Amino acid sequence: DAKTTQPNSMESNEEEPVHLPCNHSTISGTDYIHWYRQLPSQGPEYVIHGLTSNVNNRMASLAIAEDRKSSTLILHRATLRDAAVYYCILRIGAQKLVFGQGTRLTINP
Amino acid sequence: EAQVTQNPRYLITVTGKKLTVTCSQNMNHEYMSWYRQDPGLGLRQIYYSMNVEVTDKGDVPEGYKVSRKEKRNFPLILESPSPNQTSLYFCASSLRYSGGDNTGELFFGEGSRLTVL
Repeated sequence: DAKTTQPNSMESNEEEPVHLPCNHSTISGTDYIHWYRQLPSQGPEYVIHGLTSNVNNRMASLAIAEDRKSSTLILHRATLRDAAVYYCILRIGAQKLVFGQGTRLTINP
Repeated sequence: EAQVTQNPRYLITVTGKKLTVTCSQNMNHEYMSWYRQDPGLGLRQIYYSMNVEVTDKGDVPEGYKVSRKEKRNFPLILESPSPNQTSLYFCASSLRYSGGDNTGELFFGEGSRLTVL
């Protein structure tokens, strides 16, 4: 079964870049890699997604390894508002999402 | 405002007493799904629906039912709740997902915390 593996927690300082890793060694060729984050007492919110190429949006960048067995979510300048649990997810077809355990990101002032 | 609304947000009930958690979205989304979130287990998919009258099981469907009679609503039904269904439940919706530029971004509700005694 498809699965993702993430570190349980990471810590960074405000205004510094943050690199959140994810391993998905069982990924299939058509599975998309999605990232969501969950702020305290809220539902998850979309961050970014990609298939093979690196992706950038206003929130973050996604770097995908050439063999697609791993990816890294990059927050270029972390703020205190970025403190959350970040989930690396495989989207399998149109209907199935496989969530990882998530990485709890702490941002120090 | 685009949103997914769940009710109730908090509920304490007893074993065997049927309950329904409602979910409604105002974005005309085709796809809707339910997840439960438990410590150490992350989010797991319970049921999903690709459109009206089309539903299917996710990873942990046992003990739950759903229906999709209208596009905007996707209620989660616990016919005979048990303590192992104590959890935080999330409903989510998205446009029909076709990959590529269509992100199929999921919009989540704020969650419903259910306790079954």
